Amino acid sequence: DVKVTQSSRYLVKRTGEKVFLECVQDMDHENMFWYRQDPGLGLRLIYFSYDVKMKEKGDIPEGYSVSREKKERFSLILESASTNQTSMYLCASSLGVRSQETQYFGPGTRLLVL
Amino acid sequence: DAKTTQPNSMESNEEEPVHLPCNHSTISGTDYIHWYRQLPSQGPEYVIHGLTSNVNNRMASLAIAEDRKSSTLILHRATLRDAAVYYCILRGIQGAQKLVFGQGTRLTINP
Repeated sequence: DVKVTQSSRYLVKRTGEKVFLECVQDMDHENMFWYRQDPGLGLRLIYFSYDVKMKEKGDIPEGYSVSREKKERFSLILESASTNQTSMYLCASSLGVRSQETQYFGPGTRLLVL
Repeated sequence: DAKTTQPNSMESNEEEPVHLPCNHSTISGTDYIHWYRQLPSQGPEYVIHGLTSNVNNRMASLAIAEDRKSSTLILHRATLRDAAVYYCILRGIQGAQKLVFGQGTRLTINP
């Protein structure tokens, strides 16, 4: 079974702090994704990566950056956390990006920015 | 991606079959129908997907209407662990790299 793990289930940070969210997958997948999930807004794609050191902006990249130095690891960085970044953050991975491909999700990180 | 419409909530009893409907009247010929579910405080989990023919796997069955404008996810024998929000998603060639979740159907299973 594919396993996607995220470094923290719950995180509390202060406004202005730099925040790192780590995601690791163990299935040698090419593609990795960061989403945020908010009530009433569904899932929104922040960034995705289709190869090591490659990244593409999703729908809401502002205020975020990402890093993919190794194939199995994809990090989401909040350069200066703000209260409107309080959310559930979900990492996912997939073998490909064709329309029949499955995305496998981690358990999520619930981030609270005070 | 084309839109889907699902009931906000459904309720069923343990060990009974559950049929979760999804309407997607604007589906295009190359759109795949995917179902994911999200248990409380968990990340979404893949359930099943199909294009035209009905599909079965160990978790569920997917029945696709002949005109493809609707589909039904079937849980053959619901357990309490199946209580979750179920999302029906269309994935086309454009923007296939992201999943677009609607509101989904919140399924409650009564013991």
